[in-house]
Amino acid sequence: DTAVSQTPKYLVTQMGNDKSIKCEQNLGHDTMYWYKQDSKKFLKIMFSYNNKELIINETVPNRFSPKSPDKAHLNLHINSLELGDSAVYFCASSSGQAGAYEQYFGPGTRLTVT
Amino acid sequence: EDQVTQSPEALRLQEGESSSLNCSYTVSGLRGLFWYRQDPGKGPEFLFTLYSAGEEKEKERLKATLTKKESFLHITAPKPEDSATYLCAVQGAGSNYQLIWGAGTKLIIKP
Repeated sequence: DTAVSQTPKYLVTQMGNDKSIKCEQNLGHDTMYWYKQDSKKFLKIMFSYNNKELIINETVPNRFSPKSPDKAHLNLHINSLELGDSAVYFCASSSGQAGAYEQYFGPGTRLTVT
Repeated sequence: EDQVTQSPEALRLQEGESSSLNCSYTVSGLRGLFWYRQDPGKGPEFLFTLYSAGEEKEKERLKATLTKKESFLHITAPKPEDSATYLCAVQGAGSNYQLIWGAGTKLIIKP
């Protein structure tokens, strides 16, 4: 029944490691997003894909690379992790792009880099 | 530049004490204003979308209103389970369809 799911929920790793976060949605939506929420709870868009095509790519270090194998999945791979990457990462999806469509969020992945 | 400011940062109320949260925005060509609720350790949960000034939407104890410069989330006779962080976001015509988010208002309802 879960609409937007993410794995893992918690990720603790050391500086310099490479890690991936997976996201899947079963809502039939065309557009998926990755957000970063920092300690002050501010949500910042990182990437957006529409039908597997990258449409938003904010100023994010190129150590972060999204991959969308199909429109139901959007994964986030992070190379050479740094302390400042510690945050909660949310995946979201919406039914469209060209209009004001509400986004539905996953439960989040809390990344801690030590 | 598109911008969203929410106030207050935090609000503590007694159960049953009604109040309002504010979301002020600056955007060129508003496509939509969104309200979300976020519980600790969870993702934001969609509440409302408002599209034009004068529009209102209600859900249980919550009512959202919209003017050309701000939106209010009115909470009537709140219960402890209404405690959460409430987030506001806008989508403007020039924002490449992305949402611009406010920092949220943390609402605490004491029994």
